[in-house]
Amino acid sequence: DAGVTQTPRHEVAEKGQTIILKCEPVSGHNDLFWYRQTKIQGLELLSYFRSKSLMEDGGAFKDRFKAEMLNSSFSTLKIQPTEPKDSAVYLCASSLDWGVSYEQYFGPGTRLTVL
Amino acid sequence: GDSVTQTEGLVTVTEGLPVKLNCTYQTTYLTIAFFWYVQYLNEAPQVLLRSSTDNKRTEHQGFHATLHKSSSSFHLQKSSAQLSDSALYYCALFSGGSNAKLTFGKGTKLSVKS
Repeated sequence: DAGVTQTPRHEVAEKGQTIILKCEPVSGHNDLFWYRQTKIQGLELLSYFRSKSLMEDGGAFKDRFKAEMLNSSFSTLKIQPTEPKDSAVYLCASSLDWGVSYEQYFGPGTRLTVL
Repeated sequence: GDSVTQTEGLVTVTEGLPVKLNCTYQTTYLTIAFFWYVQYLNEAPQVLLRSSTDNKRTEHQGFHATLHKSSSSFHLQKSSAQLSDSALYYCALFSGGSNAKLTFGKGTKLSVKS
């Protein structure tokens, strides 16, 4: 079985641009997470979908970050407009049933650099 | 909202000696589960331990942690550190219900030296 796929693996954007990151969860998984990881802040949850319903919209990230589950096998994270402080690794993870198994499968991440 | 505080920065221990990474939390929601994640160099994070039961010891890969709700703590310990334990460790809590949240501490880098 394929694991979690994320594209692109690297992205460079100019300040003010709109970028879209993509994630394909493990086939059959119902729950999907988007995280941001930086050296200063560590790991932060951006969005959490349970069976395609948005359970957590990231609080402080809401204004420029929008995650969507377009269908059960594809999700996007849009950052609009980008700022240099958004430079980070963005991780996607999926789970068959998070509230039962608490097992997550992470993708390789997308490294975003905003100039 | 929820918050997690863990030993910040770098913790260095000598191989074979015990290690303890502290984690305390504050939560205003119904907290369902507590976690320790581990992230090895150039790898994605993975769950190392989790617990939902007060005062019950949880063990995995030689590490153990006990959730103590009375002191709002979930410290991670190992009696004998190995070189391969060098990694970044995150403590996290998950609050369920209609306002589900997964909240992380800022991470502790553990370096085990020979």
